[in-house]
Amino acid sequence: DAGITQSPRYKITETGRQVTLMCHQTWSHSYMFWYRQDLGHGLRLIYYSAAADITDKGEVPDGYVVSRSKTENFPLTLESATRSQTSVYFCATAGMVSYEQYFGPGTRLTVT
Amino acid sequence: AQSVAQPEDQVNVAEGNPLTVKCTYSVSGNPYLFWYVQYPNRGLQFLLKYITGDNLVKGSYGFEAEFNKSQTSFHLKKPSALVSDSALYFCAVSTGGGGNKLTFGTGTQLKVEL
Repeated sequence: DAGITQSPRYKITETGRQVTLMCHQTWSHSYMFWYRQDLGHGLRLIYYSAAADITDKGEVPDGYVVSRSKTENFPLTLESATRSQTSVYFCATAGMVSYEQYFGPGTRLTVT
Repeated sequence: AQSVAQPEDQVNVAEGNPLTVKCTYSVSGNPYLFWYVQYPNRGLQFLLKYITGDNLVKGSYGFEAEFNKSQTSFHLKKPSALVSDSALYFCAVSTGGGGNKLTFGTGTQLKVEL
């Protein structure tokens, strides 16, 4: 049981292209989150979801789109990638009663 | 708005010595405080949390943290450091609520040397 998986683990794309990062969980956790990690900034919340079909913006949502049609999946789409979106992206989940979040292994995205 | 400060980018300590990684926070209302650890090319792993109750909380791998409300601090400690503790440590804060949205500090690189 992998718990939470992210794909791809590494991605290189060109400026202006659309790219989708996938996140899949097997725990049936209600909450799912997308963060980006950048030097000097720590982790910053992009979007989060409380349940299927319920999503909301985090601290840095511009340029990103999310959807959650099924509880277990929470894809993050960069509609038109920019160099400033070069980062490591982490997906996380949390249950209804537990406050800690559980993180996936991350996706390293490079936009050239 | 809530925020977290980790004033040290890096902490160096000799194996066997006690270690402290500092964290201060700012939040409206009661804080929910967390420490996470990140090893190279890995995701974050939960270490410990303070929600309510005893100010000294114990977590994984022998780590503990002390909540100090008057100083708005939540420093991470370990009595005897190991080389394997070398990693990047993040402090995070929230106010609970739906989804418990976390605000992270910028991280402190801990280096434990022989």
